[in-house]
Amino acid sequence: KAGVTQTPRYLIKTRGQQVTLSCSPISGHRSVSWYQQTPGQGLQFLFEYFSETQRNKGNFPGRFSGRQFSNSRSEMNVSTLELGDSALYLCASSVGLVDGRDGEQFFGPGTRLTVL
Amino acid sequence: GNSVTQMEGPVTLSEEAFLTINCTYTATGYPSLFWYVQYPGEGLQLLLKATKADDKGSNKGFEATYRKETTSFHLEKGSVQVSDSAVYFCALSGSGGSYIPTFGRGTSLIVHP
Repeated sequence: KAGVTQTPRYLIKTRGQQVTLSCSPISGHRSVSWYQQTPGQGLQFLFEYFSETQRNKGNFPGRFSGRQFSNSRSEMNVSTLELGDSALYLCASSVGLVDGRDGEQFFGPGTRLTVL
Repeated sequence: GNSVTQMEGPVTLSEEAFLTINCTYTATGYPSLFWYVQYPGEGLQLLLKATKADDKGSNKGFEATYRKETTSFHLEKGSVQVSDSAVYFCALSGSGGSYIPTFGRGTSLIVHP
């Protein structure tokens, strides 16, 4: 079974630009979560999508948005980039059962975003 | 709310030394507990998990036991290798109706030959 894939792997942008990152989950997984990882803040939850609906949201400004398509692939968008947005963005997929106690997630390799 | 506390790193060991990385948690009910590992330049990989009290998760020589009475899930390995050098994350999910994992800050492990 293929793992979670993320594209692109590396990205360099300048302040004020916008960026779109893509994530393809494991086949059959309906939940896709996005995380931002930085040395200072660690792993921070951005949002989770399930069946094309945003089901959970972390504490990030509205510049961070996402969506999920009918095939469960997901994109996240960051508008008006700031220097502090430089980070590793990780996507994780899971079965996503609402009443499931087992929240095991499968992570992609991440997209390394550098904002200059 | 839920929280996970891990020991500060880096943890520096010589090859074949015994490893313990402490993890304690705060949560309601009976969450599932996980250890993830992140190798340089990669995403997180699930290392082991436990879904109920007194369960022991194990994989690749690593072990952790779900201790409800002490709200802990410490990671141990009897003999570390250089290839174990990575960042280790403790996490929980399934508490308070949320299945979104709560992660600790991560503990960096450096193993010298």
